[in-house]
Amino acid sequence: GGIITQTPKFLIGQEGQKLTLKCQQNFNHDTMYWYRQDSGKGLRLIYYSITENDLQKGDLSEGYDASREKKSSFSLTVTSAQKNEMAVFLCASSRDTLSGNTLYFGEGSRLIVV
Amino acid sequence: AQSVTQPDARVTVSEGASLQLRCKYSSSGTPYLFWYVQYPRQGLQLLLKYYSGDPVVQGVNGFEAEFSKSNSSFHLRKASVHWSDSAVYFCVLRPGGYKVVFGSGTRLLVSP
Repeated sequence: GGIITQTPKFLIGQEGQKLTLKCQQNFNHDTMYWYRQDSGKGLRLIYYSITENDLQKGDLSEGYDASREKKSSFSLTVTSAQKNEMAVFLCASSRDTLSGNTLYFGEGSRLIVV
Repeated sequence: AQSVTQPDARVTVSEGASLQLRCKYSSSGTPYLFWYVQYPRQGLQLLLKYYSGDPVVQGVNGFEAEFSKSNSSFHLRKASVHWSDSAVYFCVLRPGGYKVVFGSGTRLLVSP
């Protein structure tokens, strides 16, 4: 088995601040994803990456940057934090983008903007 | 367009009772369908998945789901729920490639 580790669990920042979330996986998976989860809603894709140094925008990429410098890690940066984007951010990985492959999720990072 | 609808935002059942959580999907072709569970302050964990074959698929912890192409449904069931089953359950569709479509989730509360 493997594990996905997200850091930090809670990220507190001020409005307008640039904030970064980190994700590490030891599954040796090619594909990694960042999702945003708002209370009472499904998950929305922010960015995904099919291999090291690859970045693909999802449905919600405006206001975010991502970085995949190593196969095992995938970072997400909120470029200018806003109070209306307080949410839980979930990192996931899968072996590749084939439909049958399971997504494995981290425990989430909660963004709090003060 | 692909979509997943979970019509029940909240479901409350008594411990020991049977459970059905509903999921309707819309997709061209036959997609991969999944059920995930999210316990408080945790990520999503896979319960089961389906693509083809026997329409009733078994998952972990006594959960099963039944696929119906005619009804475009993939309902989750459990014969007897335990208090520890209280969580949020997501029905998920993978139509192809990177695309993953999540339902909005059903919060299950198991009362003593």
